[in-house]
Amino acid sequence: GAVVSQHPSRVICKSGTSVKIECRSLDFQATTMFWYRQFPKQSLMLMATSNEGSKATYEQGVEKDKFLINHASLTLSTLTVTSAHPEDSSFYICSARGRTGGKATNEKLFFGSGTQLSVL
Amino acid sequence: GESVGLHLPTLSVQEGDNSIINCAYSNSASDYFIWYKQESGKGPQFIIDIRSNMDKRQGQRVTVLLNKTVKHLSLQIAATQPGDSAVYFCAENLRNTGNQFYFGTGTSLTVIP
Repeated sequence: GAVVSQHPSRVICKSGTSVKIECRSLDFQATTMFWYRQFPKQSLMLMATSNEGSKATYEQGVEKDKFLINHASLTLSTLTVTSAHPEDSSFYICSARGRTGGKATNEKLFFGSGTQLSVL
Repeated sequence: GESVGLHLPTLSVQEGDNSIINCAYSNSASDYFIWYKQESGKGPQFIIDIRSNMDKRQGQRVTVLLNKTVKHLSLQIAATQPGDSAVYFCAENLRNTGNQFYFGTGTSLTVIP
């Protein structure tokens, strides 16, 4: 099946610093990537949808200047948490859908392994 | 936004028994649903999916049932094993919002040896 690699798996940073999270589709071209945020014992909350080569679409209540998303290629999307603060501490997960070998990967979402962000 | 909710937040079952996890959705226009399993500290794993033109779909030890009349779907796990302990989410594909997937609250399944 399709594989999505997310890096880093865990990051601890000081308040005020920026953190970049990478999401790569390893064996397919991800035309669309999604970024989710998850708090302990809660569901995944969709933050934004990014299409390759265009600006991300943010969900209501998500600050686009705070969470910068770049989807410059068909295999890579990045989420940058700018000037991180303790309230940004969370589990961030990316997912992707796209095409493999010219065929659509149906409509399944393939998820990365997540990034646990802890802001001190 | 759309609401995709689960009836029970936690479920405990004996090893070997069958498990049933329920999910309610609110958008009658949604036509594609997926069940995911998430273990602690990991990303969700695809389990099984179903389209709205189907009522039932079976996989290995899992079955998904869809009742469009009451906007309800369930995940049945046969002969539940300790490795099935995880949080299970249903996800609804909302075509009219650009093909995003929205997740329900989640049910934490604990298998008792």
